[in-house]
Amino acid sequence: NAGVTQTPKFRVLKTGQSMTLLCAQDMNHEYMYWYRQDPGMGLRLIHYSVGEGTTAKGEVPDGYNVSRLKKQNFLLGLESAAPSQTSVYFCASSHTGSNEQFFGPGTRLTVL
Amino acid sequence: DAKTTQPTSMDCAEGRAANLPCNHSTISGNEYVYWYRQIHSQGPQYIIHGLKNNETNEMASLIITEDRKSSTLILPHATLRDTAVYYCIVTFNAGNNRKLIWGLGTSLAVNP
Repeated sequence: NAGVTQTPKFRVLKTGQSMTLLCAQDMNHEYMYWYRQDPGMGLRLIHYSVGEGTTAKGEVPDGYNVSRLKKQNFLLGLESAAPSQTSVYFCASSHTGSNEQFFGPGTRLTVL
Repeated sequence: DAKTTQPTSMDCAEGRAANLPCNHSTISGNEYVYWYRQIHSQGPQYIIHGLKNNETNEMASLIITEDRKSSTLILPHATLRDTAVYYCIVTFNAGNNRKLIWGLGTSLAVNP
């Protein structure tokens, strides 16, 4: 099992550009999450999903959109990137009824 | 979700036990105590969780006080690879309040 994978690992964008981060899990988990991590701060939840076709806002959802068209994939989109979105993005997944979350390796995004 | 308080940093000698404390004085009856760690530049990794009873797995032991207002994560024989930031989180396992709220954790340095 690959667990949780994230694509890409690194990306540099210019302000105003758009991009999509892909998260995939092969553990048949119902829940999936997108976090961002900035220096001096804990992980902050952007959006999450409790199942295929559902999404919900987390702590810091502004400037991001998500989609969960397939159970195994959770996409995070930036429509118009801003320097404030420079961060490390982590995807995670878990079973219903547990907060044992499995994390991907992260995507390091820089917005110039 | 209840908040937690952890020391900012700790040191431990290789081969000795590392005891990481966490205070969660406002924990509610249905909230679990979860521990994660994050090795530099990697995604967080689940370690262990518990509700009332002490728990042990292949990675660590979790000791929860009888009043549940504090807990201690024990790494019985710390190695250099245990150098990481350790997060103590209290959360529900189900429902809309099951999200993880991440603080800054304890930075554990295991020294040779």
